[in-house]
Amino acid sequence: QKEVEQDPGPLSVPEGAIVSLNCTYSNSAFQYFMWYRQYSRKGPELLMYTYSSGNKEDGRFTAQVDKSSKYISLFIRDSQPSDSATYLCAMSSLSGGYNKLIFGAGTRLAVHP
Amino acid sequence: SQTIHQWPATLVQPVGSPLSLECTVEGTSNPNLYWYRQAAGRGLQLLFYSVGIGQISSEVPQNLSASRPQDRQFILSSKKLLLSDSGFYLCAWSPGVGNTIYFGEGSWLTVV
Repeated sequence: QKEVEQDPGPLSVPEGAIVSLNCTYSNSAFQYFMWYRQYSRKGPELLMYTYSSGNKEDGRFTAQVDKSSKYISLFIRDSQPSDSATYLCAMSSLSGGYNKLIFGAGTRLAVHP
Repeated sequence: SQTIHQWPATLVQPVGSPLSLECTVEGTSNPNLYWYRQAAGRGLQLLFYSVGIGQISSEVPQNLSASRPQDRQFILSSKKLLLSDSGFYLCAWSPGVGNTIYFGEGSWLTVV
């Protein structure tokens, strides 16, 4: 079993839709949770970062963490064609003094006009 | 503000040739540095990390090596490339333990 599971998609939605992206994990030692957005042939860009259960909102993006269920989500409201990208979840536990990030495989999102 | 530079952006190398990818971080000191590889359709795989000059740890056995000759410089090398080394290589940094990781723009390597 992988430590982090993420549906690769692709997910295709119309402009303006609410998008829900999800990851599950098995390691209860994970303390920090991140979402990255990666455009084609570019490096991942940090979108959201949280270390506690609950919701964190930033503009059209909301990150949700449920540690009891080992489940995290990213919601995108009023989705735009510019949101079309691959979204990677990542989780971190502290190991040997550095950030050991474990990534999901990424979900490819296409928002069509 | 902090920035990370990685080069070259794209390269095509023959099997058996050497490799050198370079990464520098500006605007911070004593960062943690990382090299990741992203194969087509797959997730990010951590190759090396460094918590200080000359301190390199490897996550997976391979024909690649890494070096950190200066505080904010991280180099990924190979003496002889294999076809399986093709992929997207990403340098990343973090301010320290307990913080998130920031990525560079990546280097596309095709071994032919």
